[in-house]
Parts: sequence; C-alpha cells; structure tokens
Amino acid sequence: GQSLEQPSEVTAVEGAIVQINCTYQTSGFYGLSWYQQHDGGAPTFLSYNALDGLEETGRFSSFLSRSDSYGYLLLQELQMKDSASYFCAVRANGQNFVFGPGTRLSVLP
Amino acid sequence: DTGVSQDPRHKITKRGQNVTFRCDPISEHNRLYWYRQTLGQGPEFLTYFQNEAQLEKSRLLSDRFSAERPKGSFSTLEIQRTEQGDSAMYLCASYGGSGETQYFGPGTRLLVL
Repeated sequence: GQSLEQPSEVTAVEGAIVQINCTYQTSGFYGLSWYQQHDGGAPTFLSYNALDGLEETGRFSSFLSRSDSYGYLLLQELQMKDSASYFCAVRANGQNFVFGPGTRLSVLP
Repeated sequence: DTGVSQDPRHKITKRGQNVTFRCDPISEHNRLYWYRQTLGQGPEFLTYFQNEAQLEKSRLLSDRFSAERPKGSFSTLEIQRTEQGDSAMYLCASYGGSGETQYFGPGTRLLVL
C-alpha cells in the first residue's frame, strides 16, 4: 500500500522559518510534490522533487532524500497569508497521485 | 484561477438521489483526475483519464460512482443512490504531462442529507 505521514499542525510567527516534514511508504516512486490549500480553496502546486537535494522557489524550498523516503517543505520569512494546509503527494506506480493527510500551518502576528 | 472549472460549486441532495458533476480542464491538457476530499484530509484519488480513456480507478470507488470523458475534453462524475458518507468536496485536476503540476479546479462541495 501507499502511505504518507505529516505533522497535523504547525504554528509559527511572522518572519520565522518553518519546516514541514513528510515521510512516505510507496510501491514505486517517481517524485514528491507539495501543494498549498487555503480554507475553502483548491490545492495549488508549490514544488516538486524527483531527485535528492534541495529545490528553491522564492521563499519556499523543498528537499528530498530518496534513501530515507523523506522530504520537507521549508517556508522562510513567513507571512500571514501563508496560513494554510500543506500537502505532500507522491506519484508512485502508475499515473495516480497519493496525498498526505496535510499539515495545517498557522502564522501568528 | 487555474483555468480549470467545475460545476456546480455546491450541491445539496437527499440520500438516494443521483448527482452529476462536471469538470472542464485546461484545453490542451490530456490527463484529467478526480479526487474526493473530506474535512481535515488530503485529496483522495478516485480515477483518471488520458484523453477519453479511463485508465485507472481507485479500489475505493464503489460501483455507484461512474465517470466519463467523452471526446477527451470535459469530464463528468456521477454518483448514483447517494449516501451520507458521500458528502465531501469533489475536486478535478488537469495535467499537461510536463513536470508534475496538477491544476485543480475549485471543487464541488456535496452535502447528502
């Protein structure tokens, strides 16, 4: 089977740095994606890692270690608008995607 | 706005009724996914299409659920004999095949009374 684990909640203050971890167990692995979802909204794509290492996109970075079946999303210079749920997702065998349970990030003033 | 639209945005129905949802993906995208999401959970894969062919269905998808994508453009998801457990947000996502970016529509929120 396929399973992904994430912390359920993370809280941080404006301007801080926060890391959201994701561990996965899948049969087959093509890559790890991250999505952001605001309350009442649809998920929006943030980043993707197929190979080990760090990918940086502005204030957001994503890391993958395939040998550890582990990745994380790093959010820097937190802003209030970053308060949302963050999901990791894996494309395992085939073309379907498996999403994690999500991490709810609360950014405090 | 991702360019993916879904209709209706909200649907309230009584248990036992049939409902149908529509998704219009980004026009040049050949792959379309359907997901179900309940409160506090991540999107759960239901099925996907490559053009008009339905290539994969989740084992969780009961025979009350059916999806079509005639002509490889818009797609419909029908739920027959709805149950209260079907209450959820139904999301569709459009995928163009490059990178891993899925573009999600705004979703259809279903409430079964």
